[in-house]
Amino acid sequence: GAVVSQHPSRVICKSGTSVKIECRSLDFQATTMFWYRQFPKKSLMLMATSNEGSKATYEQGVEKDKFLINHASLTLSTLTVTSAHPEDSSFYICSATPAPYEQYFGPGTRLTVT
Amino acid sequence: QKEVEQDPGPLSVPEGAIVSLNCTYSNSAFQYFMWYRQYSRKGPELLMYTYSSGNKEDGRFTAQVDKSSKYISLFIRDSQPSDSATYLCAMSPTSYGKLTFGQGTILTVHP
Repeated sequence: GAVVSQHPSRVICKSGTSVKIECRSLDFQATTMFWYRQFPKKSLMLMATSNEGSKATYEQGVEKDKFLINHASLTLSTLTVTSAHPEDSSFYICSATPAPYEQYFGPGTRLTVT
Repeated sequence: QKEVEQDPGPLSVPEGAIVSLNCTYSNSAFQYFMWYRQYSRKGPELLMYTYSSGNKEDGRFTAQVDKSSKYISLFIRDSQPSDSATYLCAMSPTSYGKLTFGQGTILTVHP
């Protein structure tokens, strides 16, 4: 299967700071990537669709000014959590689709805001 | 009502048992159906995908889709302790589209 990587795997930051998470497709090009959020023992909730070369599409209820997404190349999308607060602590996962039906996920980034 | 309903379990079975995992959905636009396995603190791993109604088999795993009933299943034969994980169903109206996930079923296979 295709490989999607994320960096960092874990980050701890102080309240009020910003954190950037990278998502890379290692062996394929992805014009579209997806960002999900997962709370403990809960399912994945789609936050936004990241489109290469254009603005991201955010799901209802997701603050676009707080969760900045940049998809600058066909292999890299970044999610920046701005002015992070403890309630932003969560598991963030990205995904990409190299072929029809096949959406592959990265290993996730665990964000803890203190 | 959630778009996708999945019994969260937990489900505990002995090694070698046949496991049946299920999801129901309400959105008739869903055409593509996937099953993912997620180990603790890891990203989901794609197990199987199917398009529209029918069955698909891959080793010990069989996926079934019944669009008329809006019901999908994943069967695991000869279950192993290494199958212990959370299993998530996911579906989409398009082949490259965003996924809507079920809540996930926690499965434990004990030796």
